Amino acid sequence: DSGVTQTPKHLITATGQRVTLRCSPRSGDLSVYWYQQSLDQGLQFLIQYYNGEERAKGNILERFSAQQFPDLHSELNLSSLELGDSALYFCASSGAFSGNTIYFGEGSWLTVV
Amino acid sequence: SQQGEEDPQALSIQEGENATMNCSYKTSINNLQWYRQNSGRGLVHLILIRSNEREKHSGRLRVTLDTSKKSSSLLITASRAADTASYFCATGDNAGKSTFGDGTTLTVKP
Repeated sequence: DSGVTQTPKHLITATGQRVTLRCSPRSGDLSVYWYQQSLDQGLQFLIQYYNGEERAKGNILERFSAQQFPDLHSELNLSSLELGDSALYFCASSGAFSGNTIYFGEGSWLTVV
Repeated sequence: SQQGEEDPQALSIQEGENATMNCSYKTSINNLQWYRQNSGRGLVHLILIRSNEREKHSGRLRVTLDTSKKSSSLLITASRAADTASYFCATGDNAGKSTFGDGTTLTVKP
């Protein structure tokens, strides 16, 4: 158990809809990362937050947005969903004493039908 | 594009054999990490090697780093069927950002 909690574990939704994925980082970790993993694109970095502020941006679509709240939990919002958005979405966290080591949650499986 | 590139993309061996995976990268790094992912699960950190280290061991894992060649290797000795997974390298920079490669899929046949 990495200590990173993601909900929901599985989600099936229709094209055009909007979903929110939630993440609770490890206790004390200030950095939260979001990754997307699909069969054809591999593990793609989406975005990183540090203590509530956006720190780094990767291949995140404009239809996607994220935020980190004062209690350090984070949400990834995916809107106007397309079939190609079906993927496993990971949240990960790291802290001041973990160096570059990132701790991953078990992921949220999103299926868009 | 990803910083680290693993080689080979897929590797299939018999139980008891050693498995070697390689990772190449392009820019300077602070450290390099290896992660393991079982199918459909989250990535699990295996080992981190700093840029001033050349070799590191952890159980049956041996990681080497050659900064002059910008490459790293992960050796799993005496492999077991339970080692079947995807293995990713990730390069870490001084700002604390890690960039992952595309992974090597290892299959260990019993």
